[in-house]
Amino acid sequence: DVKVTQSSRYLVKRTGEKVFLECVQDMDHENMFWYRQDPGLGLRLIYFSYDVKMKEKGDIPEGYSVSREKKERFSLILESASTNQTSMYLCASSSPYRNTGELFFGEGSRLTVL
Amino acid sequence: QKEVEQDPGPLSVPEGAIVSLNCTYSNSAFQYFMWYRQYSRKGPELLMYTYSSGNKEDGRFTAQVDKSSKYISLFIRDSQPSDSATYLCAMSGVYGNQFYFGTGTSLTVIP
Repeated sequence: DVKVTQSSRYLVKRTGEKVFLECVQDMDHENMFWYRQDPGLGLRLIYFSYDVKMKEKGDIPEGYSVSREKKERFSLILESASTNQTSMYLCASSSPYRNTGELFFGEGSRLTVL
Repeated sequence: QKEVEQDPGPLSVPEGAIVSLNCTYSNSAFQYFMWYRQYSRKGPELLMYTYSSGNKEDGRFTAQVDKSSKYISLFIRDSQPSDSATYLCAMSGVYGNQFYFGTGTSLTVIP
């Protein structure tokens, strides 16, 4: 069974703290994505990576950075958390070479910034 | 104009009803079409996946794609309370590197 695992389901942080959200997939997928999901706004792409050490900005990259040192792992970093980053963060992965177009999500990390 | 439009609902139906969920889109390059089910405080779960036009059936669920009208549908037969969730449509182009989502339709099935 395919699996995308996000390390933390719920986090509470204070304004200004550095936050790490980690994601691991076991499907040998080339592409990995970080989205945030907010009521009424739907899913918005923060960053994606199509290969190790490669990254591309999505629609809302400001205030975030990412790291992909290994194919299976994609981390999202909030350098200095702010209250407007309180959200549900979703990691996803896909493979452009298997011609299926399917995107698989993790369970999500719900971050609250106080 | 958004790439993908989806009626947010909420939609409330009695148990056993047939549910129809729909999305429209504007980009004719989309080739892959997906429906996700998302329970409260969980990640989206891939429910149905279709390539190009046509129908696909899986148990009580049927996905339809009409590329000429840029319209996709998900039908749920004999709806159950456990079907209560938010349903997201999603689509991507031939390379499968960029995905576009509807905002989701909230469904409640009343016992």
